[in-house]
Amino acid sequence: DTGVSQDPRHKITKRGQNVTFRCDPISEHNRLYWYRQTLGQGPEFLTYFQNEAQLEKSRLLSDRFSAERPKGSFSTLEIQRTEQGDSAMYLCASSFEETQYFGPGTRLLVL
Amino acid sequence: GQQLNQSPQSMFIQEGEDVSMNCTSSSIFNTWLWYKQDPGEGPVLLIALYKAGELTSNGRLTAQFGITRKDSFLNISASIPSDVGIYFCAGPLSTQGGSEKLVFGKGTKLTVNP
Repeated sequence: DTGVSQDPRHKITKRGQNVTFRCDPISEHNRLYWYRQTLGQGPEFLTYFQNEAQLEKSRLLSDRFSAERPKGSFSTLEIQRTEQGDSAMYLCASSFEETQYFGPGTRLLVL
Repeated sequence: GQQLNQSPQSMFIQEGEDVSMNCTSSSIFNTWLWYKQDPGEGPVLLIALYKAGELTSNGRLTAQFGITRKDSFLNISASIPSDVGIYFCAGPLSTQGGSEKLVFGKGTKLTVNP
């Protein structure tokens, strides 16, 4: 399968814990995006990488959130000191030009 | 910020019926994308539209890019049970950082009764 993959698919954590998610994009895609989706809503943009450079961050991305793409391939999204409001589906997408292809997402539940 | 308005919010149809849903925006988009999302999964791209007035088909799906570049519709013909899911329209916004971040509508939830 050469699509976008994400790991883990599900994560349950206690409030205050740190969590890290991984995204492996389609191999020839240089652009990588993170989105967050809550129930009943469409995905909302969080951050964007072109190769290893993080070029844009949404105001939704508080200082507890950090994302990296160290070698321009896979990316990680870390949430520190999780809060119940962080419960959501975290989606990764990659593209070569305009059309973005999404991974299956990581569903986070903060208790 | 930019918003896409999708309608209807939900649809309940019988298997075999045709379905139509649409998406409008107050701003112009140069590309319209239609995605389908199953529960617990990521959105899957159905159709991408790149030119105003363009009509594109993908099997039983047909989508059109409105001539004003502010709207798009998606039709599904002869619906089947596996068409169940949430359909999202999306458009890319160019930003100073060089991203083409997607703005999504709230989705149309489709239920197909066998």
